[in-house]
Amino acid sequence: GESVGLHLPTLSVQEGDNSIINCAYSNSASDYFIWYKQESGKGPQFIIDIRSNMDKRQGQRVTVLLNKTVKHLSLQIAATQPGDSAVYFCAENPSGTYKYIFGTGTRLKVLA
Amino acid sequence: NAGVTQTPKFRILKIGQSMTLQCTQDMNHNYMYWYRQDPGMGLKLIYYSVGAGITDKGEVPNGYNVSRSTTEDFPLRLELAAPSQTSVYFCASSYQDYNPGTDTQYFGPGTRLTVL
Repeated sequence: GESVGLHLPTLSVQEGDNSIINCAYSNSASDYFIWYKQESGKGPQFIIDIRSNMDKRQGQRVTVLLNKTVKHLSLQIAATQPGDSAVYFCAENPSGTYKYIFGTGTRLKVLA
Repeated sequence: NAGVTQTPKFRILKIGQSMTLQCTQDMNHNYMYWYRQDPGMGLKLIYYSVGAGITDKGEVPNGYNVSRSTTEDFPLRLELAAPSQTSVYFCASSYQDYNPGTDTQYFGPGTRLTVL
């Protein structure tokens, strides 16, 4: 079936380093993508989004890259901080639908 | 704004019992969603609503029912609880115009449900 998956279930990075979290999506009809951050015991929190007519979008310390050719999405976090420790999910929205398909998530651990 | 609120935060049910998970949003969002999240997994859509009086099934609707009588409230009903429904349940809301997929979903804090 349709799915959004992640390559690395756990990512450990040193504080101050850059983090890259990857996501593969399977539905070529998806045209909107979101990255969420979920801290322990809380609901997902929106980080950044990107539409399929873009290949890069920047926010504050975060950048999302979209490669439609290989159906790959990545989230880059610059100068990773302890507060960035969380599970990160990508989600895709197939065009013309009101539904989102979530990946299983990547846990980011920031090492002091 | 309080955003999206959910009650209760925790609940333990016996097999066969029923309950209603409450969800309320005060952002005047037209779209509301119910997801379940199993341990170590992503979110699975149970039901969603595009406006008061309109609901539709998601990926995993079996064993659940919803209603949307007002813009603010979107309760999720579990009938005849089963161990397979042990999960964390998240409610979300968003505002969408006529273009699907342009929204940002705001999530509640979740309800942790255990069925024994």
